[in-house]
Amino acid sequence: DAGVIQSPRHEVTEMGQEVTLRCKPISGHNSLFWYRQTMMRGLELLIYFNNNVPIDDSGMPEDRFSAKMPNASFSTLKIQPSEPRDSAVYFCASSPSRQPNQPQHFGDGTRLSIL
Amino acid sequence: AQSVTQLGSHVSVSEGALVLLRCNYSSSVPPYLFWYVQYPNQGLQLLLKYTTGATLVKGINGFEAEFKKSETSFHLTKPSAHMSDAAEYFCAVSGLTGGGNKLTFGTGTQLKVEL
Repeated sequence: DAGVIQSPRHEVTEMGQEVTLRCKPISGHNSLFWYRQTMMRGLELLIYFNNNVPIDDSGMPEDRFSAKMPNASFSTLKIQPSEPRDSAVYFCASSPSRQPNQPQHFGDGTRLSIL
Repeated sequence: AQSVTQLGSHVSVSEGALVLLRCNYSSSVPPYLFWYVQYPNQGLQLLLKYTTGATLVKGINGFEAEFKKSETSFHLTKPSAHMSDAAEYFCAVSGLTGGGNKLTFGTGTQLKVEL
């Protein structure tokens, strides 16, 4: 079975540029999560959706970050304008439902470097 | 509020030795507990989970964990370490009222396995 698919796997861009990260959740899963992982801050939840609706975006760092889920099979995380401190690995995860006993399934991440 | 504490950011064991990774949690509601493993350049992979029922939970790759409510612990063990177990391990908790399956992660423990 296909897992969570993220693209691109690696992105290198200059500061000030717009960055778009993409995620395809596991088919049939209706919860989707975006995380950021850095050495300094560990794993941080940025935002999560349920049935394509944002439920909690309290982890989004600032207005430069935005996330959308136009349908059940696709989500994007956009950074505009990007800054060097946004360099991190960004993970997408999906889950069958919002029930607290349901595990999250992670993609392999996008390694983002902002020069 | 929920929190997870993983004692020891780095643990080193010899191949064939017992692996013990510690996790303590705090939660105002009955918790659901998870252990994830992260190999280099990959996303997090579910090792095992505790939801209800038997407090000793068996997972993949020979790992198991025991939920001890009186000690608020969910330590991860494996009787005999293998070189392929070298990775970072994360303990996580969900179950906060209204939080769905939003996970609170520990800071991770890097496991090193030596010959």
